[in-house]
Formats: sequence, structure tokens, C-alpha cells
Amino acid sequence: DAGVTQSPTHLIKTRGQQVTLRCSPKSGHDTVSWYQQALGQGPQFIFQYYEEEERQRGNFPDRFSGHQFPNYSSELNVNALLLGDSALYLCASSPWDSRSGYTFGSGTRLTVV
Amino acid sequence: QQQVKQSPQSLIVQKGGIPIINCAYENTAFDYFPWYQQFPGKGPALLIAIRPDVSEKKEGRFTISFNKSAKQFSLHIMDSQPGDSATYFCAAREDNYGQNFVFGPGTRLSVLP
Repeated sequence: DAGVTQSPTHLIKTRGQQVTLRCSPKSGHDTVSWYQQALGQGPQFIFQYYEEEERQRGNFPDRFSGHQFPNYSSELNVNALLLGDSALYLCASSPWDSRSGYTFGSGTRLTVV
Repeated sequence: QQQVKQSPQSLIVQKGGIPIINCAYENTAFDYFPWYQQFPGKGPALLIAIRPDVSEKKEGRFTISFNKSAKQFSLHIMDSQPGDSATYFCAAREDNYGQNFVFGPGTRLSVLP
């Protein structure tokens, strides 16, 4: 049983460009959350998707947007990239009604130059 | 109110020692407190979790102690091994569906052989 899979694993982009990161949740999970983890810091909540809708959002600008597809997979889009967007982007999945923790993917390392 | 504080920032112990990592929170709406372990290049993995109606929980060599009145909780690793060397994050979730977590800044643990 595959866990949470993310692609690509690494990415280098130039300031001002746009990027799309992808996530497939663990089998049986219908809720996807995205986190940003800067080097040496804890993950910061970006937003969460369930039933193809954004359900909760953290303190991130509108440059960060997402989408969830009918098969529960999800995309994170970041527009007008800044140097400060360089981080590990983590996708986590869980059942919507779970009262326990997530399953995280291994992340996408985004470097903005 | 959403912050979770974590200490120490880094910790070095000898094999067999008992490292202790401490966390504190302010938001009394938090209802679930997991600990995550993260190895370099990997996403965080759920290690053990506790709810505020329990003062202690053990799973293998890992123990969480929880002090609801002090709004503090800690992770103890018994008989630590070099393979336990990783970064540990405490986290907390507010009691709502569509869970999202607030993470501490992490503790880098090194267990020397």
C-alpha cells in the first residue's frame, strides 16, 4: 500500500516564475493538507482540501493556491515566486473524520534562485 | 495563542541515555498532541500522540508525559539508540474537523554510539 507520494522531489525555479507541486494521498484518505517547511523550522500549515474544496487556510498569501481532484489527489500552485518561497513542501493526507494525525509524504524541495 | 514552544533546540546523548524534549502551548482548545520524527530528506512520521485527558502514554521506548494544568508535554526516549538520531517535532491540533496542526520548531537529537 503506497503512502503519500509527491512529485517532483526537487525543483529549481527562478524568481517570478510559477510552480505546481503534486500529491497523491494514501489509499483510503480523502483529505489533503499542504505544509511549508523552511530549513531548520517546523512545518507551517498552508491549506487543506476536502471534497475538492479548500476547507482551511493558514497565514499564506493568495500567491499560494491549490486544487483537489475527484480522485483526491491535489496540486499546490505558487505564483510570482520569491526567494523566501524556497522550502520543503510537504503534503499530508488523512481521512476527513480522523481524530488522529496525518501521513506525510517525503516532500518537494523547491529552490528559488 | 497558536504557537507551540519547544526546547531544547538540539540535544546530544550517549547511547542508552534518556533524552527529554519539552513543549508548551497556550491555546486551551488544542485537543490532540502528536510527536513526529523526521529524518533528513524525509517527511515527518507520526511517532506517538496523546490527548489531554491522559497524563502519560507509552509506546515501546517512547513515552509522552502530559501536564494539562501547566499546558506542557514532553517526549522521553528510553534506551536511546544511534538510529533515533533525527529531528523531533511536537505538534498540537485545535478541536475541529478538517484538522490542521501547529508544529513546534523542532529538536535535533544526536545519539552517540
